[in-house]
Order: sequence, then C-alpha cells, then structure tokens
Amino acid sequence: DAGVIQSPRHEVTEMGQEVTLRCKPISGHNSLFWYRQTMMRGLELLIYFNNNVPIDDSGMPEDRFSAKMPNASFSTLKIQPSEPRDSAVYFCASSLAGQSSYNEQFFGPGTRLTVL
Amino acid sequence: GDSVTQMEGPVTLSEEAFLTINCTYTATGYPSLFWYVQYPGEGLQLLLKATKADDKGSNKGFEATYRKETTSFHLEKGSVQVSDSAVYFCALKNTGGFKTIFGAGTRLFVKA
Repeated sequence: DAGVIQSPRHEVTEMGQEVTLRCKPISGHNSLFWYRQTMMRGLELLIYFNNNVPIDDSGMPEDRFSAKMPNASFSTLKIQPSEPRDSAVYFCASSLAGQSSYNEQFFGPGTRLTVL
Repeated sequence: GDSVTQMEGPVTLSEEAFLTINCTYTATGYPSLFWYVQYPGEGLQLLLKATKADDKGSNKGFEATYRKETTSFHLEKGSVQVSDSAVYFCALKNTGGFKTIFGAGTRLFVKA
C-alpha cells in the first residue's frame, strides 16, 4: 500500500496567490482529515470528512480556506488568497470506520507551504 | 469535552537512559488511547495503542498501559537510542465521534 499521498511536498508562493494542496487517502478508508502544524500553534485540525461529506470545518481559520472531497480517492485544500501567516506544514490523514474508537489515523508526509 | 494533557518538552536524555513521557486524559465513556511518533520531516505515525482499561500497548521497545483509575497512558522505554529522537503525541478517540484528540506533543532528544 502506498499510504496517504500528498502533493506537492513543498510549495513556495507569494502573498495573494492561490494555493491548492492535494491528498489521496488510503484506498478503502472512509474518513479524511486536514491538519496544519506550526511551531507556535502545534497540530491543528482544520476540517474532516466522512464518506466524502464534510463533518466539521470549525477549525478552518477563515474564509480564505476551503476544502473539497469530490470522491473517495481525492481531496483538496485551497487557500485563496494566501498570506505569510499561512506558512506551515499541512498534513492529510485518513482512517477506516469513522466512528469506531479503535482505528488509528494514517498521515501523509505533509506539504510544507511557504508564503512570501 | 474530551482532552489530552502531556508533559511539556523538550526532554533530553543520554543514550540507554530510561524514558517516561506522562499523559493524562479527560473523556466520557470508553475511549481508545494512542501514542503517535513524528520523526523529523515526516508525518505522524502510530507507535502503539490500547483500546480498553488495563490493556498494554507495546512496539519497538516502547510500552504504555491504559489506566482508567488514574486516567493515564504514560509512555515508557527502558533504554532509548539516538534514533528515538522525535516528537511524541498522546491521543484519544472516543466512540461515536470521528476525530482523534491529540496532545500538544513532547519533543525527545537523545544524545550519544
């Protein structure tokens, strides 16, 4: 199994530009999570989906952030327009059987975003 | 709501020293408890888990026991190696919910 796949691994952009991060979850997993990690704020849950439906987006910092999951094998996190304070590592994670307590999350390698 | 509290780092040890990272939790019901590890430049990965009281999770020499009476899940290793240098996250997941609650993470440095 290839694990959770994220692209790009690194992204450098200028303030005001649109940024799109991509995630392919593990095949068969039905829950998908987007996290942001910074030194100052640690690991933050932004949004999560179950069976492709957004369940809770209360962690999305502001309207500049949006996420979609058009099918079971693909999700995007978009920032428009980007700002320097959005610089962070963004992780995607997936898991099986959403509401069971037993199943761990599998994390991707992350996308390191730098907004200049 | 559910929460996880773990000891602040960084923790600095010499190779072959004994490691304990404390973790306590607050939760209703009967959550599963996890330790995840994050090596430099990588995503988090599961280290071990326990799904009910008195269960012991173990992996790669690390152990943690689910203590319901003290609401704790402390991580231990008898002899750490330089390669154990990483950030360790304690976490819980309850039934009936989708998300995992993570602690703030504890950074471990092991010196040769």
